[in-house]
Amino acid sequence: DTEVTQTPKHLVMGMTNKKSLKCEQHMGHRAMYWYKQKAKKPPELMFVYSYEKLSINESVPSRFSPECPNSSLLNLHLHALQPEDSALYLCASSQAGLAGGNNEQFFGPGTRLTVL
Amino acid sequence: AQSVTQLDSHVSVSEGTPVLLRCNYSSSYSPSLFWYVQHPNKGLQLLLKYTSAATLVKGINGFEAEFKKSETSFHLTKPSAHMSDAAEYFCVVSEYTGKLIFGQGTTLQVKP
Repeated sequence: DTEVTQTPKHLVMGMTNKKSLKCEQHMGHRAMYWYKQKAKKPPELMFVYSYEKLSINESVPSRFSPECPNSSLLNLHLHALQPEDSALYLCASSQAGLAGGNNEQFFGPGTRLTVL
Repeated sequence: AQSVTQLDSHVSVSEGTPVLLRCNYSSSYSPSLFWYVQHPNKGLQLLLKYTSAATLVKGINGFEAEFKKSETSFHLTKPSAHMSDAAEYFCVVSEYTGKLIFGQGTTLQVKP
């Protein structure tokens, strides 16, 4: 299995809702990432988990809460989001932990999030 | 710090003609460089990567890129464009920490 899967594909939520995005990989990768991508822009890194520990939080607002229950699974819990949080949320994984320059990342198809 | 500059935000070619997407990078050490492609409403797919082996790198779907240290460039080429190549292309450099630094992207339009 050489892919990263993400569910759901689309999500519409109100500003008072609580929802979660899910990401899964079965490639034995030890680093997993959440990115946010706005239209016509490159992905922006949000969080990195390396060996199931949170390694990087790019000053993301607390209404986004990541969780890594095991080495194959990554969740992003959403609460009290704002309309400007509407974007494509991409998950990625890489074989090694963070260190080292050769960090080929494999991306999932993304979850298109709309906040009303 | 590493950085990436994609020199064209939009490139338009006719089907069957060559493709050139330009990328310059800045790095204080020997970098790892990647080209990713993103079709509309899809995730990113790795086209090819350079990791200090051969300077001419061949990727999927007929794409290739040449690493030129003297010019700090990593341009992406394809001899003959296909309609299915229309997409957004990102040149990416990997920091030593493992973080990816993305260029702003180049939109490739392929006209029939």
